[in-house]
Amino acid sequence: ETGVTQTPRHLVMGMTNKKSLKCEQHLGHNAMYWYKQSAKKPLELMFVYSLEERVENNSVPSRFSPECPNSSHLFLHLHTLQPEDSALYLCASSHRQGRQFFGPGTRLTVL
Amino acid sequence: DQQVKQNSPSLSVQEGRISILNCDYTNSMFDYFLWYKKYPAEGPTFLISISSIKDKNEDGRFTVFLNKSAKHLSLHIVPSQPGDSAVYFCAASDLGSSNTGKLIFGQGTTLQVKP
Repeated sequence: ETGVTQTPRHLVMGMTNKKSLKCEQHLGHNAMYWYKQSAKKPLELMFVYSLEERVENNSVPSRFSPECPNSSHLFLHLHTLQPEDSALYLCASSHRQGRQFFGPGTRLTVL
Repeated sequence: DQQVKQNSPSLSVQEGRISILNCDYTNSMFDYFLWYKKYPAEGPTFLISISSIKDKNEDGRFTVFLNKSAKHLSLHIVPSQPGDSAVYFCAASDLGSSNTGKLIFGQGTTLQVKP
Protein backbone atom coordinates (compact mmCIF):
# COMPACT_ATOMS: atom_id res chain seq x y z
CA GLU A 1 0.00 0.00 0.00
CA THR A 2 1.74 3.15 -1.23
CA GLY A 3 -0.93 5.70 -0.34
CA VAL A 4 -1.87 6.12 -4.01
CA THR A 5 -5.01 4.40 -5.25
CA GLN A 6 -6.29 3.99 -8.80
CA THR A 7 -9.68 2.94 -10.11
CA PRO A 8 -10.65 0.95 -11.98
CA ARG A 9 -7.88 -1.63 -11.93
CA HIS A 10 -8.99 -3.07 -15.27
CA LEU A 11 -10.94 -1.43 -18.08
CA VAL A 12 -12.07 -2.71 -21.45
CA MET A 13 -13.55 -0.16 -23.80
CA GLY A 14 -14.54 0.21 -27.42
CA MET A 15 -13.06 2.88 -29.65
CA THR A 16 -16.21 5.00 -29.45
CA ASN A 17 -16.57 4.88 -25.66
CA LYS A 18 -15.80 7.62 -23.16
CA LYS A 19 -14.34 6.57 -19.83
CA SER A 20 -12.29 8.09 -17.02
CA LEU A 21 -9.45 6.81 -14.88
CA LYS A 22 -9.23 8.05 -11.31
CA CYS A 23 -6.25 8.49 -9.03
CA GLU A 24 -6.27 9.54 -5.39
CA GLN A 25 -3.32 10.15 -3.09
CA HIS A 26 -3.41 10.34 0.70
CA LEU A 27 0.18 11.47 1.22
CA GLY A 28 -0.16 15.24 1.22
CA HIS A 29 1.86 15.51 -1.98
CA ASN A 30 1.56 18.51 -4.28
CA ALA A 31 2.59 16.98 -7.59
CA MET A 32 0.80 14.24 -9.53
CA TYR A 33 1.72 12.37 -12.69
CA TRP A 34 0.22 10.12 -15.35
CA TYR A 35 2.45 7.52 -17.00
CA LYS A 36 1.80 5.00 -19.75
CA GLN A 37 3.55 1.64 -19.77
CA SER A 38 3.33 -0.37 -22.96
CA ALA A 39 4.81 -3.83 -23.33
CA LYS A 40 8.63 -3.84 -23.42
CA LYS A 41 8.84 -0.04 -23.37
CA PRO A 42 9.96 2.38 -20.67
CA LEU A 43 7.38 4.17 -18.59
CA GLU A 44 6.34 7.17 -20.65
CA LEU A 45 5.47 10.36 -18.80
CA MET A 46 2.19 11.78 -20.10
CA PHE A 47 1.22 14.66 -17.82
CA VAL A 48 2.53 16.43 -14.74
CA TYR A 49 0.46 18.52 -12.37
CA SER A 50 2.16 20.68 -9.77
CA LEU A 51 -0.02 22.50 -7.25
CA GLU A 52 -3.05 21.56 -9.39
CA GLU A 53 -1.63 23.28 -12.45
CA ARG A 54 -0.64 21.28 -15.51
CA VAL A 55 3.04 21.94 -16.01
CA GLU A 56 3.90 19.31 -18.57
CA ASN A 57 2.17 17.63 -21.47
CA ASN A 58 4.45 15.30 -23.37
CA SER A 59 2.90 15.50 -26.83
CA VAL A 60 0.01 13.34 -25.74
CA PRO A 61 -2.89 13.04 -28.24
CA SER A 62 -5.97 15.05 -27.39
CA ARG A 63 -8.02 11.88 -26.97
CA PHE A 64 -6.39 11.81 -23.50
CA SER A 65 -7.58 14.66 -21.30
CA PRO A 66 -6.29 15.07 -17.74
CA GLU A 67 -8.05 16.86 -14.91
CA CYS A 68 -6.74 17.76 -11.47
CA PRO A 69 -9.57 19.26 -9.38
CA ASN A 70 -7.46 19.36 -6.19
CA SER A 71 -4.09 18.20 -4.94
CA SER A 72 -5.42 14.78 -3.90
CA HIS A 73 -7.24 13.77 -7.06
CA LEU A 74 -6.22 13.26 -10.66
CA PHE A 75 -8.33 12.03 -13.55
CA LEU A 76 -7.56 10.89 -17.06
CA HIS A 77 -10.54 11.23 -19.38
CA LEU A 78 -10.48 8.93 -22.39
CA HIS A 79 -12.45 9.23 -25.62
CA THR A 80 -12.22 7.71 -29.10
CA LEU A 81 -9.15 5.71 -28.17
CA GLN A 82 -7.27 3.44 -30.56
CA PRO A 83 -6.21 -0.18 -29.99
CA GLU A 84 -2.59 0.97 -29.70
CA ASP A 85 -3.59 2.92 -26.59
CA SER A 86 -4.00 -0.37 -24.75
CA ALA A 87 -1.46 -0.27 -21.93
CA LEU A 88 -0.97 0.00 -18.18
CA TYR A 89 -1.70 3.54 -17.01
CA LEU A 90 0.08 4.51 -13.82
CA CYS A 91 -0.53 7.44 -11.54
CA ALA A 92 2.15 8.77 -9.20
CA SER A 93 2.49 11.56 -6.68
CA SER A 94 5.36 13.33 -4.95
CA HIS A 95 6.38 16.44 -3.12
CA ARG A 96 7.53 18.79 -5.86
CA GLN A 97 10.95 17.21 -6.39
CA GLY A 98 10.73 14.21 -4.12
CA ARG A 99 10.62 10.59 -5.05
CA GLN A 100 7.43 9.44 -6.65
CA PHE A 101 4.95 7.01 -5.16
CA PHE A 102 2.99 4.98 -7.67
CA GLY A 103 -0.48 3.57 -7.67
CA PRO A 104 -1.18 -0.01 -8.80
CA GLY A 105 -2.18 1.08 -12.28
CA THR A 106 -5.17 0.59 -14.56
CA ARG A 107 -4.83 -2.09 -17.23
CA LEU A 108 -6.64 -0.63 -20.25
CA THR A 109 -7.70 -2.66 -23.26
CA VAL A 110 -9.16 -0.87 -26.27
CA LEU A 111 -11.09 -3.12 -28.65
CA ASP B 1 16.24 9.15 -28.33
CA GLN B 2 16.25 7.16 -25.11
CA GLN B 3 18.10 9.01 -22.37
CA VAL B 4 18.07 6.14 -19.87
CA LYS B 5 18.86 2.64 -21.04
CA GLN B 6 18.82 -0.74 -19.40
CA ASN B 7 20.39 -2.96 -21.99
CA SER B 8 19.74 -6.28 -20.28
CA PRO B 9 16.05 -7.19 -20.50
CA SER B 10 16.49 -10.08 -18.08
CA LEU B 11 18.86 -11.53 -15.50
CA SER B 12 18.81 -14.85 -13.67
CA VAL B 13 20.83 -15.54 -10.51
CA GLN B 14 20.97 -18.20 -7.84
CA GLU B 15 19.64 -17.47 -4.37
CA GLY B 16 22.39 -16.15 -2.10
CA ARG B 17 24.51 -14.82 -4.94
CA ILE B 18 24.92 -11.21 -6.03
CA SER B 19 22.58 -9.61 -8.57
CA ILE B 20 23.98 -6.70 -10.57
CA LEU B 21 21.61 -4.59 -12.63
CA ASN B 22 23.02 -1.96 -14.94
CA CYS B 23 21.78 1.34 -16.30
CA ASP B 24 23.32 3.87 -18.70
CA TYR B 25 22.28 7.44 -19.32
CA THR B 26 23.15 10.05 -21.90
CA ASN B 27 22.10 13.36 -20.34
CA SER B 28 24.93 14.84 -18.27
CA MET B 29 22.43 17.18 -16.59
CA PHE B 30 20.84 14.33 -14.67
CA ASP B 31 21.67 14.79 -10.99
CA TYR B 32 19.42 12.34 -9.19
CA PHE B 33 18.96 8.64 -9.89
CA LEU B 34 16.51 6.11 -8.53
CA TRP B 35 15.78 2.42 -8.72
CA TYR B 36 12.23 1.13 -8.61
CA LYS B 37 11.02 -2.43 -8.29
CA LYS B 38 7.80 -3.68 -9.84
CA TYR B 39 5.86 -6.87 -9.19
CA PRO B 40 3.14 -8.00 -11.62
CA ALA B 41 -0.22 -6.26 -11.13
CA GLU B 42 1.37 -3.61 -8.88
CA GLY B 43 2.81 -0.17 -9.47
CA PRO B 44 6.57 0.45 -9.15
CA THR B 45 7.85 0.88 -5.61
CA PHE B 46 10.87 2.95 -4.67
CA LEU B 47 13.96 0.99 -3.74
CA ILE B 48 16.99 3.27 -3.44
CA SER B 49 18.33 6.53 -4.83
CA ILE B 50 21.58 8.39 -5.26
CA SER B 51 22.50 12.00 -5.81
CA SER B 52 25.16 12.92 -8.34
CA ILE B 53 27.37 14.27 -5.57
CA LYS B 54 27.86 10.71 -4.32
CA ASP B 55 29.24 7.60 -5.95
CA LYS B 56 27.70 5.02 -3.65
CA ASN B 57 24.62 4.63 -1.52
CA GLU B 58 23.82 1.58 0.56
CA ASP B 59 20.61 0.40 2.18
CA GLY B 60 20.68 -3.07 3.65
CA ARG B 61 21.15 -5.63 0.88
CA PHE B 62 20.89 -2.95 -1.80
CA THR B 63 23.75 -0.74 -2.99
CA VAL B 64 23.69 1.70 -5.88
CA PHE B 65 26.93 2.78 -7.53
CA LEU B 66 27.23 5.85 -9.75
CA ASN B 67 30.04 6.41 -12.25
CA LYS B 68 29.46 9.92 -13.61
CA SER B 69 32.34 9.87 -16.07
CA ALA B 70 30.93 6.73 -17.67
CA LYS B 71 27.32 7.87 -17.22
CA HIS B 72 26.60 4.51 -15.67
CA LEU B 73 24.91 3.30 -12.54
CA SER B 74 24.38 -0.14 -11.14
CA LEU B 75 22.29 -1.77 -8.47
CA HIS B 76 23.82 -4.57 -6.42
CA ILE B 77 21.65 -6.91 -4.43
CA VAL B 78 23.49 -9.21 -2.07
CA PRO B 79 22.54 -11.78 -1.05
CA SER B 80 19.76 -12.22 -3.61
CA GLN B 81 16.52 -13.76 -2.40
CA PRO B 82 13.64 -15.34 -4.36
CA GLY B 83 11.39 -12.48 -3.21
CA ASP B 84 13.64 -10.09 -5.13
CA SER B 85 12.32 -11.54 -8.39
CA ALA B 86 10.65 -8.58 -10.10
CA VAL B 87 11.18 -5.98 -12.82
CA TYR B 88 13.70 -3.31 -11.86
CA PHE B 89 13.52 0.17 -13.39
CA CYS B 90 16.27 2.73 -13.36
CA ALA B 91 15.14 6.38 -13.44
CA ALA B 92 16.89 9.73 -13.66
CA SER B 93 15.95 13.32 -12.96
CA ASP B 94 17.41 16.76 -13.60
CA LEU B 95 16.47 18.48 -10.34
CA GLY B 96 18.55 21.51 -11.18
CA SER B 97 16.36 22.61 -14.06
CA SER B 98 13.04 20.95 -13.32
CA ASN B 99 10.65 22.04 -10.60
CA THR B 100 8.43 19.01 -10.96
CA GLY B 101 10.62 16.01 -10.18
CA LYS B 102 10.09 14.65 -13.69
CA LEU B 103 11.64 11.18 -14.04
CA ILE B 104 12.99 9.50 -17.16
CA PHE B 105 12.76 5.71 -16.93
CA GLY B 106 14.69 2.88 -18.51
CA GLN B 107 12.97 -0.10 -20.10
CA GLY B 108 13.38 -2.31 -17.07
CA THR B 109 15.29 -5.52 -16.31
CA THR B 110 13.45 -8.63 -15.18
CA LEU B 111 15.36 -10.32 -12.36
CA GLN B 112 14.72 -13.95 -11.51
CA VAL B 113 16.28 -15.34 -8.37
CA LYS B 114 16.24 -19.12 -8.35
CA PRO B 115 15.98 -21.01 -5.03
